[in-house]
Parts: sequence; structure tokens; C-alpha cells
Amino acid sequence: DTGVSQDPRHKITKRGQNVTFRCDPISEHNRLYWYRQTLGQGPEFLTYFQNEAQLEKSRLLSDRFSAERPKGSFSTLEIQRTEQGDSAMYLCASSVLGRQGSYGELFFGEGSRLTVL
Amino acid sequence: GQNIDQPTEMTATEGAIVQINCTYQTSGFNGLFWYQQHAGEAPTFLSYNVLDGLEEKGRFSSFLSRSKGYSYLLLKELQMKDSASYLCAVYNAGNNRKLIWGLGTSLAVNP
Repeated sequence: DTGVSQDPRHKITKRGQNVTFRCDPISEHNRLYWYRQTLGQGPEFLTYFQNEAQLEKSRLLSDRFSAERPKGSFSTLEIQRTEQGDSAMYLCASSVLGRQGSYGELFFGEGSRLTVL
Repeated sequence: GQNIDQPTEMTATEGAIVQINCTYQTSGFNGLFWYQQHAGEAPTFLSYNVLDGLEEKGRFSSFLSRSKGYSYLLLKELQMKDSASYLCAVYNAGNNRKLIWGLGTSLAVNP
């Protein structure tokens, strides 16, 4: 396993612009999560996929946020018309159940840090 | 409601032992995770408890009491590199398999 990778690691954008983040989970992990985290806070759940199906989206998430996982492998998170309040670290994590020795723990990527000016 | 409480900050001395507590009130329970997060980095998995008792893994141990809704993470022989945030998270299979996260405990290890 090469781990969960996210791209880009850092993104600075102007308010009103659209941004897209990509996450490549650990291969064969069927669950993929997007979280947002700000300084001094725990991860805040955004959305969750099992294979290609998006099973839940946080009620806190506005319509400006959309996520896809078209082939059940990599995922993208798009934020449209960014606002300064969107500045945060966006974390992707993947997990798998049913594998011997696995607790279903989340493996996180290094995150994509967004700064909206 | 769903609630997880941890102390915000703790300070300890290199070589000492520190215990980080976590209490939870959730609608369901299917296990509790501890994660370590260094500043500017992603959380990394430390431990998982689903049954009552103590799980030991090297310098780190984690304890769970389901009847009390209580867990702690015990760090022994503290090292400077243990300075980090420690996050408690409860897994609730009935909550669409999402983790409920605490806000984290920021641990500072001093020489």
C-alpha cells in the first residue's frame, strides 16, 4: 500500500473561485471519507462513500460542496464560489472492513490546505 | 445527542507518564479509536477498543469502560516527539458508520 494521497497539498485562491481536491485512497479500501479540520478542532465529517455510492453528506455542507467517486477508486471534492470561511484543511481518509487484522480504522491522507483570500 | 469530551490541553515532563481521558455519550457504540495528530499533519491511528479493559501497545495503552462511557490513553516514558494532539473518536455502526470525533487534547512534553 502506498497510503492515501491528496492533491494539491496547498491551495490559495481568491474568494469566488472554484477549487477541486483529489484523493487517491489505499487500493482495495472500499470506504472513503472527506473531513474538514480547522485549528484546534477535531475532524468535521463532510461526506462518505462506499465504493462509488455517496451514502451520506453532512447537513452542514452547503450546495457549493460536491464530491464524486465515479469508479469507486479516487474521489474529488469541489468547492464552488469559495468563501473565506472555507479556509481549512480538507482531509481524505479510507478504510476497509472484513479484512483480517483490520479494525476498520481510518487511514488519512496528508490533507489539502485551502486558503481563501 | 452525541458528545465526546476530552481535556483541551495537558502538559507533562519527558520520561513521565500521562493519562488522557475521554468520556462519551452516543446513541450507539461499536468501538473507540485514539488517533495522534502532529501539528500540520494528518491524524494517525494509535489504538482501538471495543471490549472493556486495557489494550497495551508498546509505550501506549488504551482503556475502555463501556458502562461508564469512558476511555483513557496512557503514554509512558514520554518523549519530546509525543507532543501532539490526541483525538478520541467513537465508531457507531448505526450512525451510517461514521466516527464521532472529540476536539482533541493538545499534549506538550517539556524537557
